[in-house]
Amino acid sequence: DGGITQSPKYLFRKEGQNVTLSCEQNLNHDAMYWYRQDPGQGLRLIYYSQIVNDFQKGDIAEGYSVSREKKESFPLTVTSAQKNPTAFYLCASSSQGRSASYNSPLHFGNGTRLTVT
Amino acid sequence: KQEVTQIPAALSVPEGENLVLNCSFTDSAIYNLQWFRQDPGKGLTSLLLIQSSQREQTSGRLNASLDKSSGRSTLYIAASQPGDSATYLCAGMDSNYQLIWGAGTKLIIKP
Repeated sequence: DGGITQSPKYLFRKEGQNVTLSCEQNLNHDAMYWYRQDPGQGLRLIYYSQIVNDFQKGDIAEGYSVSREKKESFPLTVTSAQKNPTAFYLCASSSQGRSASYNSPLHFGNGTRLTVT
Repeated sequence: KQEVTQIPAALSVPEGENLVLNCSFTDSAIYNLQWFRQDPGKGLTSLLLIQSSQREQTSGRLNASLDKSSGRSTLYIAASQPGDSATYLCAGMDSNYQLIWGAGTKLIIKP
């Protein structure tokens, strides 16, 4: 079955450490996204990529970094510069980039819950 | 700047009732309005997408409407079932092709 796989499901880190969240998709989608979800708030966009080797900052990119070396993979690194990293992180993809086909529905992975102490 | 609001934050209804979830947005210049479902600790599942030129979309027991002039979208669930219990989120796509998200309505269907 096609889909998006995020790993691990739960991640615990000490403050000051960088951590990388994995996102892999086998849907052959061009566009991939990283969102952060906090209780009582709407999803907030961290980074997005519309094509391999290209990505753009979202609303809350500070303290995060990404890469898009392969179409299938879009890992997110939460760096020690992120002031409040504890959150639920969601990866998503769509068949085409945002402006090319903005009526393409988003497909989501099952998320990674990151806890930093 | 576009803002999306979902009220109430939580809703509990008996099984079998028809119900309406609300989504309000401040800027009528949206490309589409999307409804998603999220089960606890899981990702989101796309339910319905209404393009700006459309008034409604239907899928099974779900019907979503869009009224750009009033800045409102509703998700109607017919004959609710316990399996419909989840958090429902709406998102509007603004003029920059960015999705602006509501915080969601947590729905509980009581058997």
